[in-house]
Amino acid sequence: SYVLTQPPSVSVAPGETARITCGGDNIGTKSVHWYQLKPGRAPVVVIYYNNDRPSGIPERFSGSNSGHTATLTISRVEAGDEADYFCQVWDSVGDHRLFGAGTKLTV
Amino acid sequence: QVQLQESGPRLVKPSETLSLTCTVSSGSISTYYWSWIRQPPGKGLEWIGFIYYNGGTNYSPSLQNRVSLSIDPSKNQFSLKLTSVTAADTAIYYCARDRQWLGEEGWYFDYWGQGILVTVSS
Repeated sequence: SYVLTQPPSVSVAPGETARITCGGDNIGTKSVHWYQLKPGRAPVVVIYYNNDRPSGIPERFSGSNSGHTATLTISRVEAGDEADYFCQVWDSVGDHRLFGAGTKLTV
Repeated sequence: QVQLQESGPRLVKPSETLSLTCTVSSGSISTYYWSWIRQPPGKGLEWIGFIYYNGGTNYSPSLQNRVSLSIDPSKNQFSLKLTSVTAADTAIYYCARDRQWLGEEGWYFDYWGQGILVTVSS
């Protein structure tokens, strides 16, 4: 089955740029979605369809997807961005939804 | 703004059946797909399966032998049953709405519940 690979952790200082990757075989041919998880809160989609941002999500959040790697980029990182981030794709073969293992962003 | 709320027993004994319900408010359950997703402590997200408002279902291959989803549009609720649970089924269980934009390929989750921690223990 299709596997999504994320680094376990990423650490950045406030104000810097965080880049969280999601690797997969020809992932550039798929649509990638990104979620932010904080303890005790409902998960939030921060990027959908590779680079679309839901209303209410700061412009500091952006996404890209090409080749074998999709990337969530968070510019001017703030303390409040500290969370776990998961990428997700749709498996068209079985009509299943797949998640990466998640990346803990430490600010 | 659509809201989802999970409910059900937070403690289940090994070998028994885990049962959860998701109540959808501020929106109709009709014409959408609805999923269950779980996160074991310290681990990643795992998609369990989805149900369509007409009752059609699709399950994760790893759980399909133990899971069943149902839906009650009259109550704006959908439910999860997971049989023969073990400690490995201890997790935060989330319900979420599946969304696909017209003309786009692929599904994502646009609304989620807060999650409910279910512990499997005797």
